[in-house]
Amino acid sequence: DAKTTQPPSMDCAEGRAANLPCNHSTISGNEYVYWYRQIHSQGPQYIIHGLKNNETNEMASLIITEDRKSSTLILPHATLRDTAVYYCIVAGGTSYGKLTFGQGTILTVHP
Amino acid sequence: EAQVTQNPRYLITVTGKKLTVTCSQNMNHEYMSWYRQDPGLGLRQIYYSMNVEVTDKGDVPEGYKVSRKEKRNFPLILESPSPNQTSLYFCASSKLAGGPHNEQFFGPGTRLTVL
Repeated sequence: DAKTTQPPSMDCAEGRAANLPCNHSTISGNEYVYWYRQIHSQGPQYIIHGLKNNETNEMASLIITEDRKSSTLILPHATLRDTAVYYCIVAGGTSYGKLTFGQGTILTVHP
Repeated sequence: EAQVTQNPRYLITVTGKKLTVTCSQNMNHEYMSWYRQDPGLGLRQIYYSMNVEVTDKGDVPEGYKVSRKEKRNFPLILESPSPNQTSLYFCASSKLAGGPHNEQFFGPGTRLTVL
């Protein structure tokens, strides 16, 4: 499985955009980039995923660089409820559904 | 409502007393999986199932058993629990394994304490 690198923590002001970076320089051609978040000790929640094109849904946008070696998750208008641990995961290919969770980024949204 | 349910949510037990944590999903998903989460170690996969009657080991299968007799259920069995199995457990499911349909839905978690 490809590994990912994320900053351990980030802060963001409420109402501002939160941009969470992720490096995945060893990603292979058939692997997807997934983002999940975990609020306190709840079950992780799927946010978004992409292969090589930028993606947007009701929760967030995902920007993947052209060489696919890094990506950025964007929460356009962060709220206090977005405070969570955000995980960037590379999966697919031959991993048969396994998600390898790293330490993630602790995002704290301040009033 | 589409969801993954787990029972019990909290359990305190003693070493050696067999227990089962149930997991059920109502989304007709083929793929199901169990993870455990421990401080500093993140989430680690215990077992997974690609479909009915198909199960395989994840990264930390020792001390656990699973079965997949029906598509919707994937129970986790601890035949002889030990204190090192004290953890937070999550069940997850997805439509398929791998590819563009790998987004997984997680249950609320089961906090297990083995004394």
